[in-house]
Amino acid sequence: KNEVEQSPQNLTAQEGEFITINCSYSVGISALHWLQQHPGGGIVSLFMLSSGKKKHGRLIATINIQEKHSSLHITASHPRDSAVYICAVGSTGNQFYFGTGTSLTVIP
Amino acid sequence: DGGITQSPKYLFRKEGQNVTLSCEQNLNHDAMYWYRQDPGQGLRLIYYSQIVNDFQKGDIAEGYSVSREKKESFPLTVTSAQKNPTAFYLCASIAGAGNEQFFGPGTRLTVL
Repeated sequence: KNEVEQSPQNLTAQEGEFITINCSYSVGISALHWLQQHPGGGIVSLFMLSSGKKKHGRLIATINIQEKHSSLHITASHPRDSAVYICAVGSTGNQFYFGTGTSLTVIP
Repeated sequence: DGGITQSPKYLFRKEGQNVTLSCEQNLNHDAMYWYRQDPGQGLRLIYYSQIVNDFQKGDIAEGYSVSREKKESFPLTVTSAQKNPTAFYLCASIAGAGNEQFFGPGTRLTVL
């Protein structure tokens, strides 16, 4: 069973395109996290949200609690955005469930 | 600067040998986690610890062991009982429930 589902698995975009990555989850959550993993393997947290919308630079994350769905948007994509984006949900019991990730490649 | 350190970044071991992966954090976080990442799969929880001297098995604990003698340290031992140990291992911590999870840089273990 997959508590967190992401789509698409792979995404190739031209520089400048608007990108959307989707995440659906089936468990009760305390917060949803969007993570970025670069080829070296290290993971950084982009957003943590439990309602509404957050924006950081060209990145926007939204969550709909009723529909158990979140989206990560990248505006004006750039080759340096190429990475794996992972959706994770934190349960009230301090456990985390992870999606399999979306591999994004932005072509110049 | 606060953060999580994992060492080494790359580790090679012969089949049948136990190996210990280091994870240290200076964030004063109570909860620490070990995950395993394989190609095409999401992170899977090996062990987690909510507090010093206490830890719980995750989804794939077989063949692994941990200790939590200090708040800052949560080492993971990959034993010879782990059938397929070659993977990327990530350590993480959080300050408390509902907080952001911080990740270490990871250790890539290859068993030859």
